[in-house]
Amino acid sequence: GQNIDQPTEMTATEGAIVQINCTYQTSGFNGLFWYQQHAGEAPTFLSYNVLDGLEEKGRFSSFLSRSKGYSYLLLKELQMKDSASYLCAVRGLGSGGYQKVTFGTGTKLQVIP
Amino acid sequence: DSGVTQTPKHLITATGQRVTLRCSPRSGDLSVYWYQQSLDQGLQFLIQYYNGEERAKGNILERFSAQQFPDLHSELNLSSLELGDSALYFCASSVEGGSNQETQYFGPGTRLLVL
Repeated sequence: GQNIDQPTEMTATEGAIVQINCTYQTSGFNGLFWYQQHAGEAPTFLSYNVLDGLEEKGRFSSFLSRSKGYSYLLLKELQMKDSASYLCAVRGLGSGGYQKVTFGTGTKLQVIP
Repeated sequence: DSGVTQTPKHLITATGQRVTLRCSPRSGDLSVYWYQQSLDQGLQFLIQYYNGEERAKGNILERFSAQQFPDLHSELNLSSLELGDSALYFCASSVEGGSNQETQYFGPGTRLLVL
């Protein structure tokens, strides 16, 4: 099976940097996703990592260490609109031999002035 | 706009009733996923279809069923509804349903309220 762990809530200040961690256990790891979800809205894709290292995309970066089962999402120059839940999702081997994506419960980030 | 459409946007019904939620995937996507998200809860994977066939099953109740039609749209049927079924139901689609660097694109969701 798959198990994903991320903090429930975080608070950070506008203009600052925040790091949201995600640890996971899965069989047949084949990629890790980060999604952003504003309250009551659909999740939107932020990043994808399958190899170790850092992927940078504007103000957002995502890091992966496969050996440690660990990822983080780094948000720089925080803006008020970044207040949202951030979902870590892992793709691994599901039953029947097919790939399956499992979502964590999300980290609710509040950005304060 | 992700290109995934879901209808209806809102649905209010009574306990014991049956409802059908509809999803049209992005053009060219063969895989459809259904998720349930209760208030302040994470996304719970329900079921996945690929090109008309069931591919993976999550925590889907026996009262719930789904199918994917030849035109690739999908329907999620919820029956004998209970108060606890009140939630946001999301549909997502992807090109194949498991290949590398494949992203799921989410529809706007259907908000179901069972009274």
